Amino acid sequence: DVKVTQSSRYLVKRTGEKVFLECVQDMDHENMFWYRQDPGLGLRLIYFSYDVKMKEKGDIPEGYSVSREKKERFSLILESASTNQTSMYLCASSAPPELTDTQYFGPGTRLTVL
Amino acid sequence: SQKIEQNSEALNIQEGKTATLTCNYTNYSPAYLQWYRQDPGRGPVFLLLIRENEKEKRKERLKVTFDTTLKQSLFHITASQPADSATYLCALGAGGGNKLTFGTGTQLKVEL
Repeated sequence: DVKVTQSSRYLVKRTGEKVFLECVQDMDHENMFWYRQDPGLGLRLIYFSYDVKMKEKGDIPEGYSVSREKKERFSLILESASTNQTSMYLCASSAPPELTDTQYFGPGTRLTVL
Repeated sequence: SQKIEQNSEALNIQEGKTATLTCNYTNYSPAYLQWYRQDPGRGPVFLLLIRENEKEKRKERLKVTFDTTLKQSLFHITASQPADSATYLCALGAGGGNKLTFGTGTQLKVEL
């Protein structure tokens, strides 16, 4: 079974703090994704990565950065957290399209910025 | 711009009935469409994928249809059970890169 883990289930940070959210997958998947999920807005793609050290902006990258130094690990960084970044953050991974298009999600991190 | 619409109102049905959820899209030519289930406080879980050249797909009590002319997918759960209560998300992909665009989801409640 594919397993995607996220570093924290719940996180509380203060405005201006630097926040690291980590995601690890154990299936040797090339593709990894970071989403945020808000009521009424659904899942919105922040960044994604198709390979190590490679990243592409999603639909809402402002205020975020990412790092992928190893294939299994994809980190989301909030350089200076703001209250409007309070949300549920979901990481996902998938194999290349020729194998499967399915995305496997982690349990999510509920981040509150005070 | 691309738009995916799912009924934002919760769907309440009685146990044993068939639940039908709708996913409509505009300004999109998807290569495939996927359905996911999400329980409160958890990440979505993949259920079914249907490709643009397929009309219908089944898996146990689940059935998905895909009409690229109407730009619509219907997701059916037959003989519904309280355990089927969850939010169901549809997602579209253009292929060749595996990036998905998700709808906002429809909450299903199956009552005894």
